[in-house]
Amino acid sequence: EDKVVQSPLSLVVHEGDTVTLNCSYEVTNFRSLLWYKQEKKAPTFLFMLTSSGIEKKSGRLSSILDKKELFSILNITATQTGDSAIYLCAVETLNTGNQFYFGTGTSLTVIP
Amino acid sequence: EPEVTQTPSHQVTQMGQEVILRCVPISNHLYFYWYRQILGQKVEFLVSFYNNEISEKSEIFDDQFSVERPDGSNFTLKIRSTKLEDSAMYFCASSEALLPRGKETQYFGPGTRLLVL
Repeated sequence: EDKVVQSPLSLVVHEGDTVTLNCSYEVTNFRSLLWYKQEKKAPTFLFMLTSSGIEKKSGRLSSILDKKELFSILNITATQTGDSAIYLCAVETLNTGNQFYFGTGTSLTVIP
Repeated sequence: EPEVTQTPSHQVTQMGQEVILRCVPISNHLYFYWYRQILGQKVEFLVSFYNNEISEKSEIFDDQFSVERPDGSNFTLKIRSTKLEDSAMYFCASSEALLPRGKETQYFGPGTRLLVL
């Protein structure tokens, strides 16, 4: 059965800290890995990763994929209270219709 | 910026009743999806839809569920006879065509909170 595992489940850090969130996956016919930020309701898209070793960066956030070891990390540097959210990892497979498998998420709390 | 919209934002229904959740995907998108998130649990894929037919569905998407694109703009999820365990947040999402690669980003709607009593 395909699965996506995120760690840690929750994390509390102080403003200014750097955090690394992990996502490992075990799926057949991998296509891409996506990171989302979920604050209140709907997830908002952060990154889509398809190739190993190519870092994607957006401001203080960056992410990289390792297709050999089957994991991805999401880094947030100089964290701010506004970064507090649940960060979701989802893996897309090549099955017809682009099925997505979500992890349970990492709950990040940034305290002032 | 274009966005996916969903109505209603909240719905309360009695067990056994039919509900229809509505979504308006982004206008030039061709792939549509429904997900649900039971309170405190992870987001679960329900179904994907392309070219007026279901492309993929999960085990959750049983005969009680159906999807439809009735008029070229709306994308609906119908639950025929709701159960208590159907209480969840239901998210609609849409994405552009698969080609060219690199433009495929999935946009989520704000969700419909369904409560079955």
